[in-house]
Amino acid sequence: NAGVTQTPKFRILKIGQSMTLQCTQDMNHNYMYWYRQDPGMGLKLIYYSVGAGITDKGEVPNGYNVSRSTTEDFPLRLELAAPSQTSVYFCASSYGGGAGSYEQYFGPGTRLTVT
Amino acid sequence: AQRVTQPEKLLSVLKGAPVELKCNYSYSGSPELFWYVQYSRQRLQLLLRHISRESIKGFTADLNKGETSFHLKKPFAQEEDSAMYYCAPAEEVFGPGTRLSVLP
Repeated sequence: NAGVTQTPKFRILKIGQSMTLQCTQDMNHNYMYWYRQDPGMGLKLIYYSVGAGITDKGEVPNGYNVSRSTTEDFPLRLELAAPSQTSVYFCASSYGGGAGSYEQYFGPGTRLTVT
Repeated sequence: AQRVTQPEKLLSVLKGAPVELKCNYSYSGSPELFWYVQYSRQRLQLLLRHISRESIKGFTADLNKGETSFHLKKPFAQEEDSAMYYCAPAEEVFGPGTRLSVLP
């Protein structure tokens, strides 16, 4: 199993450009998450999904959109890139969530720079 | 409000010395409590979780409900323990991390 894969690994965007960060998992996990990590900070939840067709906002959703058309894929869309979105983005998945104490499996991350 | 503090950004210890990485949290629900680790050039991965009461790679973590803390401890640090450690009181809430450096 490849686990959680993310593409691209690195990207430089100009202000106002759009892009999609791809995330795929092959573990048949129901829950998927997108986080961003700024230097010296912890991971902040952007969006999450508890199953195909269901998404919900996390702590910092502004400027992002997601979709979950299949169990495997959970792309993150940046519509109008801003310098404040310069960060490292992590996708994760887990079998369950809520009060179940489920381990999250993380992708390798995407380093995005907006200039 | 959910908040996690890991007071040390960087913790340096000598090989063989005890190590304690602190984690304090305020969480409105019932905390699940995890420690995740990221070794150099590897992805973030689970180290241990409170519910399992386990010891992984010699690390243990004790929940102190009164102090709302979940400190990570190891009696004898090894060089291969050098990594970033993140406390997570819930599945999607992470602290800022502590970089542990174990010196030879």
